[in-house]
Amino acid sequence: DQQVKQNSPSLSVQEGRISILNCDYTNSMFDYFLWYKKYPAEGPTFLISISSIKDKNEDGRFTVFLNKSAKHLSLHIVPSQPGDSAVYFCAATQGGSEKLVFGKGTKLTVNP
Amino acid sequence: DAGITQSPRHKVTETGTPVTLRCHQTENHRYMYWYRQDPGHGLRLIHYSYGVKDTDKGEVSDGYSVSRSKTEDFLLTLESATSSQTSVYFCAISTGLARNNEQFFGPGTRLTVL
Repeated sequence: DQQVKQNSPSLSVQEGRISILNCDYTNSMFDYFLWYKKYPAEGPTFLISISSIKDKNEDGRFTVFLNKSAKHLSLHIVPSQPGDSAVYFCAATQGGSEKLVFGKGTKLTVNP
Repeated sequence: DAGITQSPRHKVTETGTPVTLRCHQTENHRYMYWYRQDPGHGLRLIHYSYGVKDTDKGEVSDGYSVSRSKTEDFLLTLESATSSQTSVYFCAISTGLARNNEQFFGPGTRLTVL
């Protein structure tokens, strides 16, 4: 069973607009969440994370929101740029574990 | 960028042959991981290591074995490759020191089993 779900395989937005990528999880023990970005032919790179003690974390154009009661998190990119076009993976872990559980990814395309 | 290299970067092999992929790090991180990435499946953990000679299975370990004889090297072996093991393989590392487990990934190895 998938513990981390990214239900939208793809998303297309216009340059300058907001991109919202969603992620749901089922394991209530997860307490730390990460977003990774992946370009073709490269390895994933860490983008931003959030602990379950927070409901928002911001880093420049990227903001992650966490709704624990709904077991939902989202990544907002404002404003979106063509260079943001990539696959975005949501990942989750629980305290004491060195393992991450990844979603299937969402391919973001930002059109000029 | 974290110092992680993978070799080979591309490999084509035939069903039934043994294949070994190498991950090398220069960061002296304790933890190392092998993932595979497939369309529709995202990243799935194969095996991981929490120290020299200390390894454990991940979600999709069948058909794979690993070894870690040195801190810097983590080998993934397919004893007898099958077409279902055609995939992109990523190595990752983490310190294991922080409570929050950020992992750093290598560039990947694309393996094709004919």
